[in-house]
Amino acid sequence: GENVEQHPSTLSVQEGDSAVIKCTYSDSASNYFPWYKQELGKGPQLIIDIRSNVGEKKDQRIAVTLNKTAKHFSLHITETQPEDSAVYFCAATINDFGNEKLTFGTGTRLTIIP
Amino acid sequence: DAEITQSPRHKITETGRQVTLACHQTWNHNNMFWYRQDLGHGLRLIHYSYGVQDTNKGEVSDGYSVSRSNTEDLPLTLESAASSQTSVYFCASSELGAAGDEQYFGPGTRLTVT
Repeated sequence: GENVEQHPSTLSVQEGDSAVIKCTYSDSASNYFPWYKQELGKGPQLIIDIRSNVGEKKDQRIAVTLNKTAKHFSLHITETQPEDSAVYFCAATINDFGNEKLTFGTGTRLTIIP
Repeated sequence: DAEITQSPRHKITETGRQVTLACHQTWNHNNMFWYRQDLGHGLRLIHYSYGVQDTNKGEVSDGYSVSRSNTEDLPLTLESAASSQTSVYFCASSELGAAGDEQYFGPGTRLTVT
């Protein structure tokens, strides 16, 4: 089945610096790649997503890039702030006997150091 | 405002007991999902439903069941709780299919099986 690998598992960056989280996927048919942010004690929340017909997407300080040939996509957070501290999950769609589902990576705990 | 709720938020049960976790959404979404979250594994799909009377198995469905009798609710039942089912459980819903649509997550239920 689909495998989504996410690295690193933990990441600490100085406030104001950039953070990059990378994911790889195995199913060449995957066509939707969302990123979720999970704050302590809460459910995950979508922060940005990208589809297979686009190479890059930006939303203020957050950007996602997709390389379909290499089967990897990355989350970039610039000018990091303390409120960016959270666990981030990447995901990719898989087609399971006609039903499309999301497979999640194992998560990255991002800590912003003031 | 529309929302997705889970109950109870915390549950302690004994091995062998039947447990039901509730999930209720007021978005009128057709699609509902149950995930479990464990350290080192991220979010893994247990069961999902694309409409009333529709249920499908996810990657970790053994020992769990769901039923969908209306649009708003997808209860998750552990038939005979096992210690390996100690986890945090998240319910989610979406308007469209898993591919290409935001999933809205509930706040989670922390289940401990002793």
